Amino acid sequence: LAKTTQPISMDSYEGQEVNITCSHNNIATNDYITWYQQFPSQGPRFIIQGYKTKVTNEVASLFIPADRKSSTLSLPRVSLSDTAVYYCLVGDPDTGRRALTFGSGTRLQVQP
Amino acid sequence: GAVVSQHPSWVICKSGTSVKIECRSLDFQATTMFWYRQFPKQSLMLMATSNEGSKATYEQGVEKDKFLINHASLTLSTLTVTSAHPEDSSFYICSIVDQGKLGAKNIQYFGAGTRLSVL
Repeated sequence: LAKTTQPISMDSYEGQEVNITCSHNNIATNDYITWYQQFPSQGPRFIIQGYKTKVTNEVASLFIPADRKSSTLSLPRVSLSDTAVYYCLVGDPDTGRRALTFGSGTRLQVQP
Repeated sequence: GAVVSQHPSWVICKSGTSVKIECRSLDFQATTMFWYRQFPKQSLMLMATSNEGSKATYEQGVEKDKFLINHASLTLSTLTVTSAHPEDSSFYICSIVDQGKLGAKNIQYFGAGTRLSVL
């Protein structure tokens, strides 16, 4: 399974855009990239998933370059409530190589 | 997406006793559920894959006799921590996989977690 590497922590202020990059150098052809958010003492929750180029939903955007060896989660205009740990997972949803392995994650701290 | 209910949310027990944690899929028939463990300030570690009607598949280093998993129906998986000790104190989280919105594939939907404290 593709190993992921993320910055351990990031700091930001309310209203700023936050970009969290994840490296996955050995991503396989059929692998998708999925991001989750986890608040303290809660289970993670899905944010966004992508395969290539750009994906956008109501809470975030995901940018994936052509070589797919990295991806960037973009959170527009963060608020205090975005303080959480963010995980990127890589895996093939159609086979047994599901994205089940969590890396260290990125702890985002948003300050007023 | 699927809704997952986990119970209890918090349990304290004495060393040597057994604790059962339930994971329910409320609106989805889950043939497979996943159990994770998370220590403070650390990431989630996959413990085992729970398979409906058959034996669970445990990750390397996880004692199957210590962490008993039963998946007797399509909506319920249980994790029993047997003869619990203080080092088993952790946050236990279950998940199921379902399709997400806008074509997202095999998204994990997690329970709220169970915090186990063994005295």
